[in-house]
Amino acid sequence: DVKVTQSSRYLVKRTGEKVFLECVQDMDHENMFWYRQDPGLGLRLIYFSYDVKMKEKGDIPEGYSVSREKKERFSLILESASTNQTSMYLCASSLLTGPEAEAFFGQGTRLTVV
Amino acid sequence: AQTVTQSQPEMSVQEAETVTLSCTYDTSENNYYLFWYKQPPSRQMILVMRQEAYKQQNATENRFSVNFQKAAKSFSLKISDSQLGDTAMYFCAFMANNQGGKLIFGQGTELSVKP
Repeated sequence: DVKVTQSSRYLVKRTGEKVFLECVQDMDHENMFWYRQDPGLGLRLIYFSYDVKMKEKGDIPEGYSVSREKKERFSLILESASTNQTSMYLCASSLLTGPEAEAFFGQGTRLTVV
Repeated sequence: AQTVTQSQPEMSVQEAETVTLSCTYDTSENNYYLFWYKQPPSRQMILVMRQEAYKQQNATENRFSVNFQKAAKSFSLKISDSQLGDTAMYFCAFMANNQGGKLIFGQGTELSVKP
């Protein structure tokens, strides 16, 4: 069974803290993605990665960075958390392209920054 | 740039009835995929339907079917015989074939199925 696992379902952090959101997939997928979900806005792409040590900015990368040291793991980093980063964060993985490029999602991390 | 629009933030349907969720998109690409994802209260995103743009035939999967109108850039989802378990947020998403799997999502439609 396909599996994308996010390390936390709920997280509460203080303003200014450095926050790490971890995502692991067991499908040997090349692509991994971090999305942010907000009511009325749908999901928006923060960063994505096509390969180990490779990263590209998505539509809303400001205030975030990522790390991909191993193929199966993709981390989202909030360098200095702010209250406007309170949101749901979803990790996804997929094969590179073509009909099998269906994305598989983790269960999301609901982050609250106080 | 591609955009996806879901103009119905909330919808409600009686159990066993049929409901249609709307989605329009804008793109200059010729090769792309369209998806409907379901996100129940558990938050686990589940793929419901997929349509490849070069296929004329509308996809169908059990009680779910899509109406893909390429010229109108419309991709609606019809749920027949609605069940309580269909209650969820539904997202329409677009993926260009040359974009490495990046999805562009609509705003979502929250569907409530009432007994």
